[in-house]
Amino acid sequence: EAGVTQFPSHSVIEKGQTVTLRCDPISGHDNLYWYRRVMGKEIKFLLHFVKESKQDESGMPNNRFLAERTGGTYSTLKVQPAELEDSGVYFCASSQDEIGQLEQYFGPGTRLTVT
Amino acid sequence: SQQGEEDPQALSIQEGENATMNCSYKTSINNLQWYRQNSGRGLVHLILIRSNEREKHSGRLRVTLDTSKKSSSLLITASRAADTASYFCATASMDSNYQLIWGAGTKLIIKP
Repeated sequence: EAGVTQFPSHSVIEKGQTVTLRCDPISGHDNLYWYRRVMGKEIKFLLHFVKESKQDESGMPNNRFLAERTGGTYSTLKVQPAELEDSGVYFCASSQDEIGQLEQYFGPGTRLTVT
Repeated sequence: SQQGEEDPQALSIQEGENATMNCSYKTSINNLQWYRQNSGRGLVHLILIRSNEREKHSGRLRVTLDTSKKSSSLLITASRAADTASYFCATASMDSNYQLIWGAGTKLIIKP
């Protein structure tokens, strides 16, 4: 069984540019989560999809971030326009379970560097 | 919002020794989970302990949970070089809509 995959593994962009991160969850997992770890800080929740619906997007930092999960399969996270403070590692996770009772399976992360 | 806090921030021990990491949190929880991250890799789930459980074992891992003190510990016995990684605790609770709330992590180095 393939695990959670993320693309790209690393992205370097200039301030003001747009970047789109992609996450492919484990097949059959309805729940998809995005997290971010900014350098030197703890991992922070961004949002949670159940199938194609946003269950909880309370962690999204501002309206420069847009997440989608059309068709309830893969998800994209777009940052437009990127700012320096957006640099960090963006993790995606998927789970069969909606209420945090079971483990979440994480992808390798996308390291975003905004210069 | 609640936040898990691990201590120590960094731990360096000899191979074969036991490593203990602690996590404290601030509000009531449904469960607490420990994850490992090897350098440059994703997070790997290690163990989940529910709020009504006090101790769980998985191989060389032993996790305890003290809800009265709002703390948990992760013990790795007979450490190996491959255990070198960062270890994170994360809590889930109904109050936080079951989001995982993470600690800053403990960086564990096992010296050969």
